[in-house]
Amino acid sequence: GAGVSQSPRYKVAKRGQDVALRCDPISGHVSLFWYQQALGQGPEFLTYFQNEAQLDKSGLPSDRFFAERPEGSVSTLKIQRTQQEDSAVYLCASSLDLNQPQHFGDGTRLSIL
Amino acid sequence: GENVEQHPSTLSVQEGDSAVIKCTYSDSASNYFPWYKQELGKRPQLIIDIRSNVGEKKDQRIAVTLNKTAKHFSLHITETQPEDSAVYFCAATSTGAGSYQLTFGKGTKLSVIP
Repeated sequence: GAGVSQSPRYKVAKRGQDVALRCDPISGHVSLFWYQQALGQGPEFLTYFQNEAQLDKSGLPSDRFFAERPEGSVSTLKIQRTQQEDSAVYLCASSLDLNQPQHFGDGTRLSIL
Repeated sequence: GENVEQHPSTLSVQEGDSAVIKCTYSDSASNYFPWYKQELGKRPQLIIDIRSNVGEKKDQRIAVTLNKTAKHFSLHITETQPEDSAVYFCAATSTGAGSYQLTFGKGTKLSVIP
């Protein structure tokens, strides 16, 4: 497809379960970013990759959050032992390079019960 | 780190009128300022951006101005239409300084009344 693709679009999990969120960037985009968007707020940075290298993970809220991009294309954001405060929309963005405009996917809406 | 303040939080205008949204930033090293439009349940869509080496940029009905000295930038929408109704986010980052993540404002909900 032409845009950033994220799956699933919606995810409901019970507290304590592990979840995995997938991001498929625009073809040829080497930079990939993850953001968390709480209801009524702007996106907040989590982590970013340049190809397969995770260059900054300073925004990850705890060690329960883990992201990877092993082949420099698709990325997965994993949350272990989910808690209610993890409920949010998780947005992925990609760009041609680090200093180029970021283009977002539709996000995954995560609800923790 | 960077802090971006955005005002107003809500804005209602009559169709055909202009709308202005203002943002301020704290980090003088910031040099790239994009604006995103987000409709309910949809992705943030990049509508215009500006880099610190220019003071103004225009694309049809949308324009952005940047004042580096005062550290503020604004989005101007002229001849508003109902389809302009959405939440608008400003953002800032300092590309080339090893910190490429966007810092967003809290958003402005724009309602264009037909």
